[in-house]
Formats: sequence, C-alpha cells, structure tokens
Amino acid sequence: LAKTTQPISMDSYEGQEVNITCSHNNIATNDYITWYQQFPSQGPRFIIQGYKTKVTNEVASLFIPADRKSSTLSLPRVSLSDTAVYYCLVVPYNFNKFYFGSGTKLNVKP
Amino acid sequence: AAGVIQSPRHLIKEKRETATLKCYPIPRHDTVYWYQQGPGQDPQFLISFYEKMQSDKGSIPDRFSAQQFSDYHSELNMSSLELGDSALYFCASSLQFAGYNEQFFGPGTRLTVL
Repeated sequence: LAKTTQPISMDSYEGQEVNITCSHNNIATNDYITWYQQFPSQGPRFIIQGYKTKVTNEVASLFIPADRKSSTLSLPRVSLSDTAVYYCLVVPYNFNKFYFGSGTKLNVKP
Repeated sequence: AAGVIQSPRHLIKEKRETATLKCYPIPRHDTVYWYQQGPGQDPQFLISFYEKMQSDKGSIPDRFSAQQFSDYHSELNMSSLELGDSALYFCASSLQFAGYNEQFFGPGTRLTVL
C-alpha cells in the first residue's frame, strides 16, 4: 500500500479557500485517491475520490497531477464547521481495508 | 437515508471482562469493517467481512473475534479486556463492486475499560 504524507495541521479563516496536499510517491497503477473528514468522536465521512486530473463535487475539489504522486484537496470558502481532521487514503480499487495515516487537523478561525 | 447503526453507543467494563459490540450495516451493503480509534490516534483497521466471510484482517488482537451473520449484521467480541482497549470502535459498511471505495461509518461505540 502506498504511504501518504500530509501536513499535521493547518489554520485558516472563515471564507478562505483551503488546499491540503497529500504526497503518495509510491502510488500504484490501480490505486485511487480518497479523502475522508472526521469530526471529534464521530466516524470518518467520505468527501471525494479520484484517479487522475480533477474531480469536483458539492463540497470539494480534488486535483491530481499527471504523475499522481501527490493530490490536493480543495475546500472552497471554509466555515467554522469545517474544523476537522482530513485523511488522504490511497487504496486499490475495491480494496477491503483502509489504513488511515496521520491526517491533517484543519482549524478554521472566525 | 439509512445509516450504519452501532450498539451500544457507550460501554463501561472492568479489566478481564468481555464485551460485545454490534453493527447493523446500511441495507443491501454486503461488506462490514471494524476500526479501533484510541484517544488522539488515527483509526486502525481491525477486520472486515464480505458476504459473511472474513475478507481481510488488520491489527486485531487474538482476544478479539468477529463475525457477520446471515442478516449481514456483525458483532465484535472482545475478551479479557485490558485498559488499552479503551477506545472508540467504528463499524463501516460498503457495497462491493459499486464502482468506488466509499465506506460508510457508523457513530461508533465508546468502550471504557476500568
């Protein structure tokens, strides 16, 4: 499984765009990049998944360069309620287990 | 929409006791996963079941066992509890071959071992 590296923490202010980058140098051909969000004492929640280029949904965008060795989760106009831990996972398609590395603790300030 | 149900939500046990955690997956989901998250730590994969058969095993202690029943609900049995077993235990479910790797997590069971 590809190892991922993310910043331990980030600070932002309400209304700003936040970009969290994840490095995964050993990503394999059949790996997908998936991001989860976790609030304290709650289960992780799926945010977005992609394989290459750009993926966008109603809450975030995921940018993946051509070499796929990194990815960037973009959260537009964050609010206080976006304060959470964000995990980047690299898993093969239909893999049956997730290994959560150290996520990024995002702190949104007023 | 229906979500993953876990029971109980909170459980307090003494050392060396046993505990059983239950998980009811989202209807029609065929795969169940168990994760353990200690205080201030990241979720750790324990074990998963697909169509009632164990499909993958992670860092699950030998004192723990789990199974998935015919109605797809799953139980995590924990024996000889230790103080270090105090954690949040999450169950997640998914539908295999749905075209994406999305696992839906339950609210968790907070186990406290005294």
